[in-house]
Amino acid sequence: KNQVEQSPQSLIILEGKNCTLQCNYTVSPFSNLRWYKQDTGRGPVSLTIMTFSENTKSNGRYTATLDADTKQSSLHITASQLSDSASYICVVSGNYNTDKLIFGTGTRLQVFP
Amino acid sequence: EPEVTQTPSHQVTQMGQEVILRCVPISNHLYFYWYRQILGQKVEFLVSFYNNEISEKSEIFDDQFSVERPDGSNFTLKIRSTKLEDSAMYFCASSAPQGLGNQPQHFGDGTRLSIL
Repeated sequence: KNQVEQSPQSLIILEGKNCTLQCNYTVSPFSNLRWYKQDTGRGPVSLTIMTFSENTKSNGRYTATLDADTKQSSLHITASQLSDSASYICVVSGNYNTDKLIFGTGTRLQVFP
Repeated sequence: EPEVTQTPSHQVTQMGQEVILRCVPISNHLYFYWYRQILGQKVEFLVSFYNNEISEKSEIFDDQFSVERPDGSNFTLKIRSTKLEDSAMYFCASSAPQGLGNQPQHFGDGTRLSIL
């Protein structure tokens, strides 16, 4: 069964600290892996997209890594800010023709001053 | 920056009634999607739409559901004879055609559907 699992479920860090979120997937075939940020009450916003041939992708303070062999990905957030408080969702696309997305349950990140 | 807009933001409907959720995708996008998120759960794919027809649909998207692009700008999701379990946040998304797998899907802020 195609699944996307994330850890931790929730995370609390202090402003200015770094953190890393994990994602494991069993989606096959695999087209691409995305990280989305979802603020409470809002729609998901794309952070990064990686195909199987890409190992890392950065977007400002966000850096995603992908190991297609072990089917693992991580999202590293550098120098966290209060505005980083949100859910971070790992999303996998297994169908290139339709780009149907399979969502993980997300990691709820809270950044405190 | 262009964005996907959804209306209404909150819809309250009696069980058994029909409801239409509306979306205006980003103007030059050609791929359209509906997803739903039941409170506290993950986002789930419902349907993808391209060239005026359904490209793929999930098991959730049964005969109760239909989608339509009635004109050049709107994309709608119709739910017939709503059930209590249809209560969820419904997200519309669109993406550009170039290099489908490398294009982000842009999401609206959703319509919260409450079935009473």
